[in-house]
Amino acid sequence: DAGITQSPRHKVTETGTPVTLRCHQTENHRYMYWYRQDPGHGLRLIHYSYGVKDTDKGEVSDGYSVSRSKTEDFLLTLESATSSQTSVYFCAPQGGDYRYEQYFGPGTRLTVT
Amino acid sequence: AQSVAQPEDQVNVAEGNPLTVKCTYSVSGNPYLFWYVQYPNRGLQFLLKYITGDNLVKGSYGFEAEFNKSQTSFHLKKPSALVSDSALYFCAVNSGYSTLTFGKGTMLLVSP
Repeated sequence: DAGITQSPRHKVTETGTPVTLRCHQTENHRYMYWYRQDPGHGLRLIHYSYGVKDTDKGEVSDGYSVSRSKTEDFLLTLESATSSQTSVYFCAPQGGDYRYEQYFGPGTRLTVT
Repeated sequence: AQSVAQPEDQVNVAEGNPLTVKCTYSVSGNPYLFWYVQYPNRGLQFLLKYITGDNLVKGSYGFEAEFNKSQTSFHLKKPSALVSDSALYFCAVNSGYSTLTFGKGTMLLVSP
């Protein structure tokens, strides 16, 4: 967890509101991932990045967008929040390619009312 | 497509007894396998991985895992469980041609 921060840690928002979650890492990892964790589903990949301005969609990308303008920051935006996006969101930088482990941030608990 | 199955939602074991958390996988090509642990209200922590080489992999906190190619399994083990091992455990697989796929997790409860 060292060197990975997520903000905010908790957020309550209303349906239809845009929301941006931030992940910041200090280890200069090239790859970064956004997951959501829901009971019964484990972790599901939303979007990922393999470098500055290089991003791609994951399994559950609908309703989400990402941006990465600097190596250390990876932003996840819910364009118009819905109740189905109530979840815990984790950011995970990765030290190298597929052979390397991911390091998870502390998570953001998002509630959409 | 790649997938991971953790057939047990929960595993109960008494402190001091050996524990096993099961994981099977499906992947095209060589598998790259990982175990993570999640304590309450925390992010996942890396435990160990199998990339290549010895089938028995040793990791953090006394955990180990055995890669079995013929059974497509990567079970997590520990010789003597501690109450502090109680947590949610995730197995994950990557083929090298895709992103990491996680299982749904197994809750390990170690009773005193």
